[in-house]
Amino acid sequence: GIQVEQSPPDLILQEGANSTLRCNFSDSVNNLQWFHQNPWGQLINLFYIPSGTKQNGRLSATTVATERYSLLYISSSQTTDSGVYFCAVRPNTGGFKTIFGAGTRLFVKA
Amino acid sequence: DSGVTQTPKHLITATGQRVTLRCSPRSGDLSVYWYQQSLDQGLQFLIQYYNGEERAKGNILERFSAQQFPDLHSELNLSSLELGDSALYFCASSEGQVTDTQYFGPGTRLTVL
Repeated sequence: GIQVEQSPPDLILQEGANSTLRCNFSDSVNNLQWFHQNPWGQLINLFYIPSGTKQNGRLSATTVATERYSLLYISSSQTTDSGVYFCAVRPNTGGFKTIFGAGTRLFVKA
Repeated sequence: DSGVTQTPKHLITATGQRVTLRCSPRSGDLSVYWYQQSLDQGLQFLIQYYNGEERAKGNILERFSAQQFPDLHSELNLSSLELGDSALYFCASSEGQVTDTQYFGPGTRLTVL
């Protein structure tokens, strides 16, 4: 089945710093989302981005489907950005299963 | 608030018991998904329903079953519970079947003692 790898697994930033999170996937996909799981466990949808580039405030994402990767950019990080960031994909073949990566755990220090 | 509701928020039960988790999707969404999040397995897709029909099946155990009702709410039934079933169970919903944004509910934390 499809493999989804996220890097880095852990990231510590000083407030105000920028970061780039990466999601690699091993097969073609028709659906890719980025989520933020906050320290209270809530999963918040950030982007639906099977291809192209999107921006929402300090966050932006780019997916290059032909090269099978997606990037999530966080600029001017804030302590409220702390939590785990997940990439989730649905492969073009093998049914409609959604596969999550293991996540990137981010801690932003004040 | 995603618009997806789940009840109960917390559930504590004993091994061997059976529980039912409930999910109401966002208004207008026809798909409901169930996920399990545990420390050792991460976020695992269990099952998807679309307009009452099963659409996709993931790593769902035979002791687990789900259904989607005509009013589109869904229930996940977990039986013969084991200690390893302790986890956070999420429900998500989307408008369509495949190429849609999934919105997640707050989750039900299940503890099996």
